[in-house]
Amino acid sequence: QVQLVESGGGVVQPGRSLRLSCAASEFTFSTYAMHWVRQAPGKGLEWVAVVAYDGSNLYYADSVKGRFTISRDNSKNTLYLQMDSLREEDTAVYFCARARIIVAPFTHWGQGTLVTVSS
Amino acid sequence: DIQMTQSPSSLSTSVGDRVTITCQASQDIRKNLNWYQQKPGKAPKLLIYDTSNLATGVPSRFSGSGSGTDFTFTISTLQPEDIATYYCQQYDNLPSFTFGPGTKVDVK
Repeated sequence: QVQLVESGGGVVQPGRSLRLSCAASEFTFSTYAMHWVRQAPGKGLEWVAVVAYDGSNLYYADSVKGRFTISRDNSKNTLYLQMDSLREEDTAVYFCARARIIVAPFTHWGQGTLVTVSS
Repeated sequence: DIQMTQSPSSLSTSVGDRVTITCQASQDIRKNLNWYQQKPGKAPKLLIYDTSNLATGVPSRFSGSGSGTDFTFTISTLQPEDIATYYCQQYDNLPSFTFGPGTKVDVK
């Protein structure tokens, strides 16, 4: 069955960078759009970014535009989120999620990885 | 940007009861509305897509309806395993995939 496993979370100081990964298996990764969604502690879900199946189209939430970069390596079945200039308000669990195309429901989700931005 | 609201924000009910949650969009999103279930410490799970279509493996006690700006999610007969937070999500307006604030359902 579809597996998505996030990694790379941790504690980081404001202004620093962190890169998250999402390892995909048990499906043809290169044919699906992939999203990042985050959830601050005790809060709701916030969509972060999406990348098309081939990396050709990228979209970002206004809250992360210019600071975060979504990318993928289809040869490694892995999705990435490069997070620069981190702020305390970026503290959240980050989930990766799969969709058939960019504008489609998020049918499968990873278990999430926690990012804590704190001095 | 499209804003999503949900009502109520929380509800306490009994096993066997009917549960109804509403979701409203700030502008017309046609039928591009999904519902997710999230249990504590777990990832969200897609329940309903395109307003009224059940995702694979989802029990038929879950249903959805609506169009335009007003949508409804219903659990016909609440089961203990349905205790969770439910989120609506619009995907009509690229590049935004806005979630509602969530409705927490628990048992009295």
